[in-house]
Amino acid sequence: EAQVTQNPRYLITVTGKKLTVTCSQNMNHEYMSWYRQDPGLGLRQIYYSMNVEVTDKGDVPEGYKVSRKEKRNFPLILESPSPNQTSLYFCASSSFGDYLEQPQHFGDGTRLSIL
Amino acid sequence: RKEVEQDPGPFNVPEGATVAFNCTYSNSASQSFFWYRQDCRKEPKLLMSVYSSGNEDGRFTAQLNRASQYISLLIRDSKLSDSATYLCVVIHSGGYNKLIFGAGTRLAVHP
Repeated sequence: EAQVTQNPRYLITVTGKKLTVTCSQNMNHEYMSWYRQDPGLGLRQIYYSMNVEVTDKGDVPEGYKVSRKEKRNFPLILESPSPNQTSLYFCASSSFGDYLEQPQHFGDGTRLSIL
Repeated sequence: RKEVEQDPGPFNVPEGATVAFNCTYSNSASQSFFWYRQDCRKEPKLLMSVYSSGNEDGRFTAQLNRASQYISLLIRDSKLSDSATYLCVVIHSGGYNKLIFGAGTRLAVHP
């Protein structure tokens, strides 16, 4: 089954404690992306990757890091989480060839609470 | 000003009603347009693409007006299961798949 898998689904942690949210896709997609969703603001892109070892900032990259060492994985790293990073996070992937018809496949989401 | 703007709602309608959502976008270079559906803070799922000529999928009709830079979604014969948040999404031209999301319009269909 084609899917994007995020872990963990829920996490409550404290300010300053480094955390990583993993994202893995099994569709051999080149493009992967992280979004955060906050009430009234919609989904905003944090980082994206166009292929292995190719990453770039989205609209709200501050406080986040990513890496793309393998095509299937695109972890999101919060080196020193702060309460303003409390949000719902989505990972997504797509293939460049078919983005007009099926732009992105989304993971189930990760709800982070930073106390 | 947000790049993609939607009326947040909520739209409270009875079953069987027809309801329409509008969405405006500010970047005239926007290339592709979509409506996504999102249930209860779950992942967004593609509802339909929006083509220049307008397109229909069952009870759902999407239209694009490039001159006025707005997109619409019409839902006919609303069902309880249509209750969700509807996200307007645009992609700019520029060589990669960057989606710009509206904040969403919430629809609540009641018996």
